Amino acid sequence: ETGVTQSPTHLIKTRGQQVTLRCSSQSGHNTVSWYQQALGQGPQFIFQYYREEENGRGNFPPRFSGLQFPNYSSELNVNALELDDSALYLCASSLGTRGPEAFFGQGTRLTVV
Amino acid sequence: AQSVAQPEDQVKVAEGNPLTVKCTYSVSGNPYLFWYVQYPNRGLQFLLKYITGDNLVKGSYGFEAEFNKSQTSFHLKKPSALVSDSALYFCAVNSNYQLIWGAGTKLIIKP
Repeated sequence: ETGVTQSPTHLIKTRGQQVTLRCSSQSGHNTVSWYQQALGQGPQFIFQYYREEENGRGNFPPRFSGLQFPNYSSELNVNALELDDSALYLCASSLGTRGPEAFFGQGTRLTVV
Repeated sequence: AQSVAQPEDQVKVAEGNPLTVKCTYSVSGNPYLFWYVQYPNRGLQFLLKYITGDNLVKGSYGFEAEFNKSQTSFHLKKPSALVSDSALYFCAVNSNYQLIWGAGTKLIIKP
C-alpha cells in the first residue's frame, strides 16, 4: 500500500450536482496531483498543488477546483456535474513536483446519472 | 506537443517467456520517464523511472526498462513472465509538473 488514501471509494451523483473528493497524502509528501481516468483510457492531469498553492492545471474547465491544506491533504471539487464526468479520479502524492515518483491512492469511482 | 504513445493495446505472452511492452515519447528537453502498473479496481503502482544516468533501469517485480534517446523509446521488459504480471501497464513522461500518460497496454500472460 502507498499510504495515500482517497474517500469515498465510490459514489453516484445526479447531473447538475456538486461533489467533493478527498485525498490524504503520504506522510512527508508536499505535492498532490489529481487525475481523471475514463474507462479504457490513461489518466488525464487535472491540477497539482504544491505547498498549498496550485502549481499547474490541465485542460479542465473552472468547475473543477481544488484545495490543499496545511497537512498537505487535498480536495477536488466538481460543480455542475455532467454525465462525461463519470470516471475514476486518482490522487497522487509526491515529494516535489517533477523527478520523484508519485504514489497513487486507490481512486474514487464517480458515476453521474 | 508533448505526448506518449503505447502502440499496442494488448500484449500476450506465455508464462516463462520474455516480455516487452513498448513506449515512445515526444517531449522537449530531458525526459523524466516512468512506468506504472494498474490492477483491476486499484490505483496505479510505480514500477520504475528514468531520470538520468544508465540507460537500463531496474525496477520492482523483476521489471526493467531501456531508455533509448535516439529512438525516443522507453520499453518495459522482463526476462521471464509470470501469470501474476497480467495487468494494465502505463508509460508516462513528466513534463514540468504533470505526468503525461500513454493509453495503456493490457498485458496477458498465458499459463
